[in-house]
Order: sequence, then structure tokens, then C-alpha cells
Amino acid sequence: AQSVTQLDSQVPVFEEAPVELRCNYSSSVSVYLFWYVQYPNQGLQLLLKYLSGSTLVKGINGFEAEFNKSQTSFHLRKPSVHISDTAEYFCAVSATKGGKLIFGQGTELSVKP
Amino acid sequence: GAGVSQSPSNKVTEKGKDVELRCDPISGHTALYWYRQSLGQGLEFLIYFQGNSAPDKSGLPSDRFSAERTGGSVSTLTIQRTQQEDSAVYLCASSSQAYEQYFGPGTRLTVT
Repeated sequence: AQSVTQLDSQVPVFEEAPVELRCNYSSSVSVYLFWYVQYPNQGLQLLLKYLSGSTLVKGINGFEAEFNKSQTSFHLRKPSVHISDTAEYFCAVSATKGGKLIFGQGTELSVKP
Repeated sequence: GAGVSQSPSNKVTEKGKDVELRCDPISGHTALYWYRQSLGQGLEFLIYFQGNSAPDKSGLPSDRFSAERTGGSVSTLTIQRTQQEDSAVYLCASSSQAYEQYFGPGTRLTVT
């Protein structure tokens, strides 16, 4: 079975500061990794995914994440955040391509002016 | 193009009543998923349909929950004898061969 731990439930940052949202996973098999964003009162939108290949993946809105197999981590980063990045961010894993997603508990990113 | 749509957007029901939630996936997507999102449990997988294969029902919390997918397209999630703990946002997603899941806006279910 797989599990996902998002280490921070809330992350407050100032506008234009860098941010890192941490995600660790547990699995006995290879996994596929995802970050989703949920803006207030909206559905989930895919930010980026790691299926194979380069461990550094780039997504939409300037976000990127690095897959670290030895540390079983998939942290999300952005070098300079905007007010509009305020949202909840979910890390997820899947044991199979196209299979069910197992989500972390979410990290609420709050960007302040 | 059109995304995943769900109806109704909000549903208030009395404890003990049955409810049906509908999901229209993106046209041509072969896989369809149901999840629910609640304050206490976060985002939980419920059930997954892939083409003509038997659905993966491993996430359904009790036998009061069931789902079907007709004609490989529209899906209905049915909750029988609703309980207050069923209150949540029910999310539907669909995907094609690209394996990215596209989510609908959800149905907010409130059981009173």
C-alpha cells in the first residue's frame, strides 16, 4: 500500500519569496507522483507529474518538483510566489499508470503582500 | 473543450434518504474515478472504472455506496440510507491514455 505525508499543513509566505512544500511518500513498489492545486471554491488542477525520466519536473505557473527516490520525497518549489498562488496544494501517488491516486492531507499556502 | 461536469453542485438530504450523484466525463476518456473530500478524512479514493474492466471498488467505505458507469461514459454514485458522516464533497475525475486525471467541480453533499 502507498501513503503520502505532507509535512506542513499551513505555509504562510510573503509575496515574491521562495517557497517549498514538502511531500514524502511510502511505497513498496515504484510510484508515479503528482502535485495538484485547489484554488478556493474550485476543483483540483494538475500542477505537474513525475512518471519517469528526469527527476526534476516543471509544471504550470512556474512550479517545479524534484523526485528523490532515496529520500522518498517529491517536494514542490517556486522561486517567487504571487498572491494568486494562495491555494491548497495536494501531493499524490499512484502505484500504476492511470490508477487511483492516494493523496496527502494537503498544504494550505497563504501568500501575503 | 468541455471538462468533467457533475450534478447537482449541491445536495441537501435528510438522514436515511438515498442520493444519486452524476458525473459526465470528458468525451473519449476511458477511465473514470470517484473521490470524496471531507475535513476529517481529506481526499479519499472511492471507486475507479477503466474501460470494460471490472471496477476497482476498494475505496468504498460501506455497502451503502455503489456506482455504475453506463455505456462507458456517464457514471452515477449512489449512497443509500445516508448518514451524517457521508457529508462531504464528492469529486469525479476522468483520464485518457495520458494518465492525467481531470477533476470536476464536485458535488457538495450535506446530510441533515
